[in-house]
Amino acid sequence: SQTIHQWPATLVQPVGSPLSLECTVEGTSNPNLYWYRQAAGRGLQLLFYSVGIGQISSEVPQNLSASRPQDRQFILSSKKLLLSDSGFYLCAWRPMANTEAFFGQGTRLTVV
Amino acid sequence: SQQGEEDPQALSIQEGENATMNCSYKTSINNLQWYRQNSGRGLVHLILIRSNEREKHSGRLRVTLDTSKKSSSLLITASRAADTASYFCATDPWTGYSTLTFGKGTMLLVSP
Repeated sequence: SQTIHQWPATLVQPVGSPLSLECTVEGTSNPNLYWYRQAAGRGLQLLFYSVGIGQISSEVPQNLSASRPQDRQFILSSKKLLLSDSGFYLCAWRPMANTEAFFGQGTRLTVV
Repeated sequence: SQQGEEDPQALSIQEGENATMNCSYKTSINNLQWYRQNSGRGLVHLILIRSNEREKHSGRLRVTLDTSKKSSSLLITASRAADTASYFCATDPWTGYSTLTFGKGTMLLVSP
């Protein structure tokens, strides 16, 4: 069966520090991968999605970037965090467009 | 950008009552999906309804879709305290791009 791993669960980082959040999927190949951000009490904002290795689409311009170095690995990065980067980050995958998505447990990022 | 808009933002009911949540969207869709999120956790897929379907059932869940009004509703019958969660609608665009865009959600509280 397929599983998704996202880590860490919580992270406290100072302003200006770098960020690297990792997400991996097991039990499937060539998944569509997603990074979302959720502000407190708000909906999910799609940040990046990828339909294949090296293919990254950005939905929101910001100081975050994403990479997909391997088929089932999706990484969210920042060179210098801002206070406004605080939030709940969720990774998700699905087999292809127009199917259900499966979410990781999320990373609570607090920038101080 | 957010495609879906749920209504109401918050809903409080007693166990045994029915809960109805609505979702409106802006652009043509391939399908509409509903997800549930327990506090501080990842999202769990509930049901997917395609643009050529009008109604779908899954256990105590009933989803309707009206593409002429660009709206959907989620009905949870005989609510239980364990149904307390946030509920989100999400849409896949008709264009075929693999973006999955979420609304802001409805927070449901079911009291014993």
